Amino acid sequence: DAKTTQPPSMDCAEGRAANLPCNHSTISGNEYVYWYRQIHSQGPQYIIHGLKNNETNEMASLIITEDRKSSTLILPHATLRDTAVYYCIVRASNTGNQFYFGTGTSLTVIP
Amino acid sequence: DTAVSQTPKYLVTQMGNDKSIKCEQNLGHDTMYWYKQDSKKFLKIMFSYNNKELIINETVPNRFSPKSPDKAHLNLHINSLELGDSAVYFCASSPPAGYNEQFFGPGTRLTVL
Repeated sequence: DAKTTQPPSMDCAEGRAANLPCNHSTISGNEYVYWYRQIHSQGPQYIIHGLKNNETNEMASLIITEDRKSSTLILPHATLRDTAVYYCIVRASNTGNQFYFGTGTSLTVIP
Repeated sequence: DTAVSQTPKYLVTQMGNDKSIKCEQNLGHDTMYWYKQDSKKFLKIMFSYNNKELIINETVPNRFSPKSPDKAHLNLHINSLELGDSAVYFCASSPPAGYNEQFFGPGTRLTVL
C-alpha cells in the first residue's frame, strides 16, 4: 500500500470549512483513497473513499487531484464534535482488507 | 444494539498472565480484525480473519492468537503478557472481501504491570 503524508495538526474555526490535505505521490492505479477519523478514546470511523472522481456524502467531500498524487478531505461546516485525528489511507481493494493507518492529522475545531 | 462490541473496556493485569479480550459483531459481517494502538497512537493491523482464512501480521508475536467460535465473534487471547503489550486493542468487522468500510469497536485498554 502506498505511503501517505499528512500535516500532524490543524486548527479550524467552528462553522468554517476544514480542509485536510494528504499527499500520496506513489499511489498505484488500483489503489483507492480512504479517510477515517478517530475521536478521542473511540474506535476509528469511516468517512469517505474515492478512486479518481471527487466524492461527497453526508459527512464530507473528497477532492482528488487529476494525477491522483494528492487529495483533500473537506468538512464543509466544522463543529466541535469534528475534533479528532483524521487518517488518510491508500489501499487496493483486493489487499486482504487491512487498513494501514499512518500518523494522521489532529484537527482541533475552535469555538 | 452496538454494532461491534468489546469486553472488557479496561483490563489491568500482571506480567506473565494470560488474558482474553472478546469481540462480537451483530452486523452479519464475514470478516473481522484486531488492531493495536500503542502509546504513540499508531494503529496497526494484527489479524484479519474470515471463515476461510486467517491473515497474520508477521510482526505479531505468537503469544497473540485469535479464536473465532462463530462468525460473529473473534476473541483475542494473549499468553505470557509483557509490559510492551500495554495498548488499546480495537476489534473491527467488514462484509466480504473488497468492501470498503470497516466498523470498529470501542476498544479495550490493556495495562500490563
